[in-house]
Amino acid sequence: GAVVSQHPSWVICKSGTSVKIECRSLDFQATTMFWYRQFPKQSLMLMATSNEGSKATYEQGVEKDKFLINHASLTLSTLTVTSAHPEDSSFYICSARSGGNPGNTIYFGEGSWLTVV
Amino acid sequence: AQSVTQLGSHVSVSEGALVLLRCNYSSSVPPYLFWYVQYPNQGLQLLLKYTSAATLVKGINGFEAEFKKSETSFHLTKPSAHMSDAAEYFCAVSKTNAGGTSYGKLTFGQGTILTVHP
Repeated sequence: GAVVSQHPSWVICKSGTSVKIECRSLDFQATTMFWYRQFPKQSLMLMATSNEGSKATYEQGVEKDKFLINHASLTLSTLTVTSAHPEDSSFYICSARSGGNPGNTIYFGEGSWLTVV
Repeated sequence: AQSVTQLGSHVSVSEGALVLLRCNYSSSVPPYLFWYVQYPNQGLQLLLKYTSAATLVKGINGFEAEFKKSETSFHLTKPSAHMSDAAEYFCAVSKTNAGGTSYGKLTFGQGTILTVHP
């Protein structure tokens, strides 16, 4: 079946640096991908919708200049956490729609653990 | 606005017993509903989804859920729990519009941790 892959699975970075997380759809084209954040013992919160070839749409309260999203191809979206701080430490997970029609399956990646020290 | 409420943050059952995880939703438009399972330190795996077809939806690993509009519920059940079912379960709702362009933006419930005792 369809697979969405994220890389890296785990990343530790120093405060003030930037880190990039990749989300790839491995066997289907995803014009739309979604980025979520999950704090420990909490639910997933949608951060932004990533659209291939256009700007991402951010949810209210999410800093677009801090969380840069680039959807350069039909199989790849990247999330860059800029000037990371310890409070950005979280589990980041992406999902991809296998098509534009309601009912098409939504696949999630394995997630990426970010720890900022 | 849409929301999902999962009743019970922790559910504990014995192996072989019925599993019932509760989910109620609120949506201003006909919803699409999902159940996902998350094992420790892993991503989400889709168990089943309701997309306005049959109200009783069968999923993987013996799970099923019934969409009840009158009760705004989408409870997840499994007749007989296995040890391997121990995980966290999330109910989610997706907004749809006429063109379906909002499809895929999921609002998640708080999650229910299922513990299975031998």
